[in-house]
Amino acid sequence: KAGVTQTPRYLIKTRGQQVTLSCSPISGHRSVSWYQQTPGQGLQFLFEYFSETQRNKGNFPGRFSGRQFSNSRSEMNVSTLELGDSALYLCASSLQGPNTEAFFGQGTRLTVV
Amino acid sequence: AQTVTQSQPEMSVQEAETVTLSCTYDTSESDYYLFWYKQPPSRQMILVIRQEAYKQQNATENRFSVNFQKAAKSFSLKISDSQLGDAAMYFCAYRSDSSGTYKYIFGTGTRLKVLA
Repeated sequence: KAGVTQTPRYLIKTRGQQVTLSCSPISGHRSVSWYQQTPGQGLQFLFEYFSETQRNKGNFPGRFSGRQFSNSRSEMNVSTLELGDSALYLCASSLQGPNTEAFFGQGTRLTVV
Repeated sequence: AQTVTQSQPEMSVQEAETVTLSCTYDTSESDYYLFWYKQPPSRQMILVIRQEAYKQQNATENRFSVNFQKAAKSFSLKISDSQLGDAAMYFCAYRSDSSGTYKYIFGTGTRLKVLA
């Protein structure tokens, strides 16, 4: 069974540009969450999607957005990139129900120059 | 709001020895889950162990076990017979069982070094 797949693995963008990151969850997982990981702030929750609906959103500016498609694949978009957006972006997928855990992808390393 | 605290930024252990990583959390909820995730240099977060708050029995997975003290809001991870492959960042995480979402709250992590 394939794991969570994130593309691309690495990205270099210039300040002011926008970027789109992609996440394909494990087959059958309908919940997809995104996290930003930085050395200073650690792992911070961005948002969670379930069945194409955003269920929860973290404390990030509106420049950060996401969506989920009918096949559960998810994308997140960051517009007007800032240097501080440089981070590892992790995607996680889960089955619905209790006693489940999140399965993470290998992340996308975004560098803003 | 819930918080998770890992007070040990870095720990070292000799190969084959035992090490305990600490984690405390704060919540007003009664139903929740606690997790330990491992993040090796490959960056992929891997689940080590999970504990349901309603279970009094401490979870165990092979060489990994937890000491869950619900009243003290403490959730430590014990690694027995440490191996070189255990070297990684370890994150303690909390997930509510009542919020209807799968949002995880992570601690700041403990870097574990295993000395040969």
